[in-house]
Amino acid sequence: DIQMTQSPSTLSASVGDRVTIICRASQSISTWLAWYQQKPGKAPKLLIYKASSLESGVPSRFSGSGSGTEFTLTISSLQPDDFASYYCQQYHTHQSFGPGTKVDIK
Amino acid sequence: QAQLVQSGAEVKKPGASVKVSCKAFGYSLSNYGITWVRQAPGQGLEWMGWISGSNGNTNYGQKVQGRVTMTTDTSTSKGYMELRSLRSDDTAVYYCARGGRDSSGWFMDYWGQGTLVTVSS
Repeated sequence: DIQMTQSPSTLSASVGDRVTIICRASQSISTWLAWYQQKPGKAPKLLIYKASSLESGVPSRFSGSGSGTEFTLTISSLQPDDFASYYCQQYHTHQSFGPGTKVDIK
Repeated sequence: QAQLVQSGAEVKKPGASVKVSCKAFGYSLSNYGITWVRQAPGQGLEWMGWISGSNGNTNYGQKVQGRVTMTTDTSTSKGYMELRSLRSDDTAVYYCARGGRDSSGWFMDYWGQGTLVTVSS
């Protein structure tokens, strides 16, 4: 099975900050990686697929990069609506999720 | 606009079974798959498995393999996830989501609202 890790597990930031979350895979997954945002009590929302493709309707302040085993999700200027948990997901072999990164208010 | 609507919350005793439904609106179920994901209280997302809407092929996660069955009914645009021999650690919110048609290896672009399943004696 492909194991996913994320860092940090929690990130405290302020509105306007540039935020970067790292996701690593236990083996190469090419660019078969997605990022999701989840708010408390809500279903996850797709942000990025194929490592760097922005889902329709998602603000351009979100971007993804990486290939192989290391990936990043960047929020260029954190907005109040962005305080949430973020999960990476590999879909190279079946699927598995990272443990999540909670972005909270500094 | 695609939408997935799940059945309501369930309370079950240990050892019982639960069957959660997921109805697709705004697209043809046969052109996609359904992925099931669960989330225990305060925990992360766990992939449970996938079913193709076109041919019924399935892939199940190791943790639930042998206790789970996923099915679809294209005539009603519904997917189902049945979990048997329930344990307390099966208490979670269960989500269905639209996934790939031909493979479990795909991302999910539309999600249901979630179904809380509580297992308690």
